[in-house]
Amino acid sequence: KNQVEQSPQSLIILEGKNCTLQCNYTVSPFSNLRWYKQDTGRGPVSLTIMTFSENTKSNGRYTATLDADTKQSSLHITASQLSDSASYICVVSRGGQAGTALIFGKGTTLSVSS
Amino acid sequence: NAGVTQTPKFQVLKTGQSMTLQCAQDMNHNSMYWYRQDPGMGLRLIYYSASEGTTDKGEVPNGYNVSRLNKREFSLRLESAAPSQTSVYFCASPSQPGGEFGGYTFGSGTRLTVV
Repeated sequence: KNQVEQSPQSLIILEGKNCTLQCNYTVSPFSNLRWYKQDTGRGPVSLTIMTFSENTKSNGRYTATLDADTKQSSLHITASQLSDSASYICVVSRGGQAGTALIFGKGTTLSVSS
Repeated sequence: NAGVTQTPKFQVLKTGQSMTLQCAQDMNHNSMYWYRQDPGMGLRLIYYSASEGTTDKGEVPNGYNVSRLNKREFSLRLESAAPSQTSVYFCASPSQPGGEFGGYTFGSGTRLTVV
């Protein structure tokens, strides 16, 4: 069964601290993996997209890693800010499945406090 | 969110009422999607349209109908709303032409409550 599992479900950290969110998937065939940030009351916004051959990708203070062998990805947030408080969603795309390709994780809710 | 516009933002319906959620994209892309998001669950695909004039069922199509009016617009209709359809609905379209290898742009969502 095609699934995307994220951990932890929720996380609270102090402003300025780093954190790492995890994503494990069992989607096949694999096309790409995406991390989205969803602020409360808004739609998801893309942070990174990683293909099979990419191990690491950065977007400012966000760094995503992908291990296609173990089917694991992580999203590392450096020097967190209050504005990082949001839900972070891991999404895996199946190859050759136009239209129904995306499998969504349930998300990790991050709260950054001062 | 730039590129995809949804209306309305909020709606309360009584059981059995009907309504249409509107979505428009200005990115000139072929594909458009409707998702629902429920607490503790990932986004689930309701219907999608790979191109103007075509629509297909996603994971949870029961109780919904869609219309791809033209390349820009993709509407979602609830003919007889049920409490189980209380959810947040998102419309999406690929951020780049050809879509599947690019990111998706999501609308800001419609929060629907059925009482």
